[in-house]
Amino acid sequence: DGGITQSPKYLFRKEGQNVTLSCEQNLNHDAMYWYRQDPGQGLRLIYYSQIVNDFQKGDIAEGYSVSREKKESFPLTVTSAQKNPTAFYLCASSYYLGFTDTQYFGPGTRLTVL
Amino acid sequence: AQRVTQPEKLLSVFKGAPVELKCNYSYSGSPELFWYVQYSRQRLQLLLRHISRESIKGFTADLNKGETSFHLKKPFAQEEDSAMYYCALSGHGDNYGQNFVFGPGTRLSVLP
Repeated sequence: DGGITQSPKYLFRKEGQNVTLSCEQNLNHDAMYWYRQDPGQGLRLIYYSQIVNDFQKGDIAEGYSVSREKKESFPLTVTSAQKNPTAFYLCASSYYLGFTDTQYFGPGTRLTVL
Repeated sequence: AQRVTQPEKLLSVFKGAPVELKCNYSYSGSPELFWYVQYSRQRLQLLLRHISRESIKGFTADLNKGETSFHLKKPFAQEEDSAMYYCALSGHGDNYGQNFVFGPGTRLSVLP
């Protein structure tokens, strides 16, 4: 089954701990994105990467970090500095640089901080 | 700052009736606008883009720059159209990078 995958589906974390969410794609896409979704709100952009070894902050990057060491992978770390990390996290990818191309979404990871 | 609003959280229509999902945006430049859809137990996926000027599954959307709107329309709703619909805007962010902003979404329920 190809496409974009996220793991785990559900994640629980104690306050004060960092946690890393996985995102992998086998679509040969250059660009990858991380979004956060809260109830009643649209998706908000956390980070995006247009190419390997390059990434840019989105609207709500504070408390998050990313890396893009391989084209296929774009992991997101939710650090203890993120004040309200409980949310649904979506990863996406697209062929081209920028945002005008179709984005393909993963199934999401629901993070709960206990 | 860019913003996308979708005034209706829930929209219910009967099968065969016309449907219009409203989307308004605020952006100082020329935005790229999209409609994404999420059917039950499926992933979020692109429905259509204004730049393509296409009709997908009978849906169309016209960009009205004067009213800063990008409403999604279908003349005859089908039960399989029931889903969550998100309007989205692509443009330059406040930090001069790119940004992609989603609206809060409208849940469309098509009743038999």
